[in-house]
Amino acid sequence: KAGVTQTPRYLIKTRGQQVTLSCSPISGHRSVSWYQQTPGQGLQFLFEYFSETQRNKGNFPGRFSGRQFSNSRSEMNVSTLELGDSALYLCASSGAGRTEAFFGQGTRLTVV
Amino acid sequence: GEDVEQSLFLSVREGDSSVINCTYTDSSSTYLYWYKQEPGAGLQLLTYIFSNMDMKQDQRLTVLLNKKDKHLSLRIADTQTGDSAIYFCAESMGSSNTGKLIFGQGTTLQVKP
Repeated sequence: KAGVTQTPRYLIKTRGQQVTLSCSPISGHRSVSWYQQTPGQGLQFLFEYFSETQRNKGNFPGRFSGRQFSNSRSEMNVSTLELGDSALYLCASSGAGRTEAFFGQGTRLTVV
Repeated sequence: GEDVEQSLFLSVREGDSSVINCTYTDSSSTYLYWYKQEPGAGLQLLTYIFSNMDMKQDQRLTVLLNKKDKHLSLRIADTQTGDSAIYFCAESMGSSNTGKLIFGQGTTLQVKP
């Protein structure tokens, strides 16, 4: 059974640009959550999608957005990138019981 | 409030037991989790415990939960050099769902040969 797949693994973007990250959950999982990990702030919750609907949202500005497709794959978008957006972005997928969250390897975003 | 606290660093000798501690604040948390992160990698789910349990054992891992004190611990028996990593505890917010996890700062475990 394949795990959570995040693409790309690494990205370098310039300030002001936008970026889209992708997450394919474990087959059969319908819940996808996104987290930002930085040395200063640690792991912070961005948002959760379940059956194409946003269920929860963290305290991030509107520049951070996401969506989920009918096949449960999810994308997150960050517009007008700032240097402080440099981070490891992790997504997690959960099954029907939603008791276990399995994480992908993450996308390392560097904003220069 | 939403706050999970962990000590930042633990150093042990190979073969010893390691105990990583965590305190959380949300009394309504249904599940509490332990994750492991190795350099350059994502988070690996090690184990989790339901909030009405006191203890859970899984091979070399033992989780103890003191719900009254909101204290969670992870004991690793016979610690190996491959256990060197950052360990995060996390609580699920509200009802039984993993949609939003609140993580501690992580405890770096150093295992000396």
